[in-house]
Amino acid sequence: GQQLNQSPQSMFIQEGEDVSMNCTSSSIFNTWLWYKQDPGEGPVLLIALYKAGELTSNGRLTAQFGITRKDSFLNISASIPSDVGIYFCAGLPGQNFVFGPGTRLSVLP
Amino acid sequence: SQTIHQWPATLVQPVGSPLSLECTVEGTSNPNLYWYRQAAGRGLQLLFYSVGIGQISSEVPQNLSASRPQDRQFILSSKKLLLSDSGFYLCAWSVLWGDQNTEAFFGQGTRLTVV
Repeated sequence: GQQLNQSPQSMFIQEGEDVSMNCTSSSIFNTWLWYKQDPGEGPVLLIALYKAGELTSNGRLTAQFGITRKDSFLNISASIPSDVGIYFCAGLPGQNFVFGPGTRLSVLP
Repeated sequence: SQTIHQWPATLVQPVGSPLSLECTVEGTSNPNLYWYRQAAGRGLQLLFYSVGIGQISSEVPQNLSASRPQDRQFILSSKKLLLSDSGFYLCAWSVLWGDQNTEAFFGQGTRLTVV
């Protein structure tokens, strides 16, 4: 089946630093979604992208739909402790969602 | 606004016992419904999805089954739990715009421990 690759797998950053993570696929996606999951909770949708090249922001978060439609990235500016969690990308190559394995973010005070 | 309810939040069950997890969605009609399982520190594995009442598609053959008795109700079941059924179970819903699926929204999850 289709798979998504996310990098990095995990990252440790200092509070206040900017964060960048990305998601790649071997096939074209029509939609890219970014989620954040806190421990013991369900993933929460952060940003949805629908067009190649689209750049969308949600507060300190910015995500882009790659022009090739095979990748997407998520940036977090000026990280804070509550940014800790697992960030998942998801794509819609057709009707069903494909999720990446996640990037685990730790923020050091 | 739309909301999704999933319960129970945590469950400890002995091996061989039955399972029933319930998920309901409010504020939308004819949603696509999903059950995912997440092993500790891992990604999301799609177990079942449904595009309508009584319509269930299974992604992974296993010890579980799903049913959709009402438009906004999705149930995950097992007749006899195995140790390997332990995990974090997530229900989700999405809607179609025309024939295009859109964002998925998740419930709070159920932590199942089989002992």
